[in-house]
Amino acid sequence: DAGVTQSPTHLIKTRGQQVTLRCSPKSGHDTVSWYQQALGQGPQFIFQYYEEEERQRGNFPDRFSGHQFPNYSSELNVNALLLGDSALYLCASSGTRQGDGYTFGSGTRLTVV
Amino acid sequence: EDKVVQSPLSLVVHEGDTVTLNCSYEVTNFRSLLWYKQEKKAPTFLFMLTSSGIEKKSGRLSSILDKKELFSILNITATQTGDSAIYLCAVVTSGTYKYIFGTGTRLKVLA
Repeated sequence: DAGVTQSPTHLIKTRGQQVTLRCSPKSGHDTVSWYQQALGQGPQFIFQYYEEEERQRGNFPDRFSGHQFPNYSSELNVNALLLGDSALYLCASSGTRQGDGYTFGSGTRLTVV
Repeated sequence: EDKVVQSPLSLVVHEGDTVTLNCSYEVTNFRSLLWYKQEKKAPTFLFMLTSSGIEKKSGRLSSILDKKELFSILNITATQTGDSAIYLCAVVTSGTYKYIFGTGTRLKVLA
């Protein structure tokens, strides 16, 4: 039973560039959430996708956008990268059963230079 | 503003010691509290707590929630070097889907 898969694992981008991160949820899960974890901080909620729609959004600017595909996989896009966007980006999937919480992927480490 | 605070921020102990990690919260419409262990990148689920006073236990780890005093503790007995990690506490509120995380407690267990 595959867990949550994220790609790429590491990425280095230049300020002003755009980046796309990808996530495949755990088998049987239909909901994908994205979190940003800066060094020494807890994860911060970016948004959640369910049924191909953004269901809830955190306090992130419009430069952060996403998409969910019919197979439940998801992408996170960040435009006009800033140095402060450097972080670990975590994807978490969940299903209708509430008792187990999210299953997290290993994340994408984004470095903006 | 909803807030989750963990303490201590970091902790160094020796193998065999018992540790208690704290998580306090101030949120509107509390629904549940979760504990995660983050060793390298992916946080792994430990416990979900929704009811006060009911201890959840898994091996050497246990956790309990106090909804009156708005906190939870995570206990680890007979610590091992493999327990070295960041322990994250998160709260979910009703009517929302996001987890509100604390900054975590970094635990280091020395052999």
